[in-house]
Amino acid sequence: DAGITQSPRYKITETGRQVTLMCHQTWSHSYMFWYRQDLGHGLRLIYYSAAADITDKGEVPDGYVVSRSKTENFPLTLESATRSQTSVYFCASSESLRGDRGETQYFGPGTRLLVL
Amino acid sequence: GENVEQHPSTLSVQEGDSAVIKCTYSDSASNYFPWYKQELGKRPQLIIDIRSNVGEKKDQRIAVTLNKTAKHFSLHITETQPEDSAVYFCAASTGTASKLTFGTGTRLQVTL
Repeated sequence: DAGITQSPRYKITETGRQVTLMCHQTWSHSYMFWYRQDLGHGLRLIYYSAAADITDKGEVPDGYVVSRSKTENFPLTLESATRSQTSVYFCASSESLRGDRGETQYFGPGTRLLVL
Repeated sequence: GENVEQHPSTLSVQEGDSAVIKCTYSDSASNYFPWYKQELGKRPQLIIDIRSNVGEKKDQRIAVTLNKTAKHFSLHITETQPEDSAVYFCAASTGTASKLTFGTGTRLQVTL
């Protein structure tokens, strides 16, 4: 579990501000993911990345931007935060996909974001 | 895309009883079905998973069954204990980019 970390763990910001959530993993996993968790919705995929410099949209990407210049880091930026982006954000990673097998995703500890 | 439905949303059982959580999925190409447990304020953690070439898998008090024809899979917890109290999420993946689609979760409460 210590292999994937998120910072900050808690963040309060105001509507319209830019916020960046950090995710770092030490396993050299190829795949990284960002989810948001809201009551009644479970975990919804925001963006994911298959490797450095390769990213793709998930189920709820609007209002978010990601980058992946290094394999170990996958920051998530809210360009102009809105109240509806108040949520718990989880980063996850998994090993390289082999054949047609799905791979286990390991989650970070989460970031609780409150947008006022 | 994939859609995963999970029932019930809440489940209360007495200690020692069994608990069953059910999920259905829509994409017949899905071939990987993990279950995650999330304790209050913690991260989701994998407890068991099953792949489409297997019908059942057990790990001590936990078992998962898969019915590919009906496109549903279930989590079975026997001899429940207070520490089993948590939110449980099912998920499904086609294996493409390891993307998981999660159910909305089941809050399990084990009472003494």
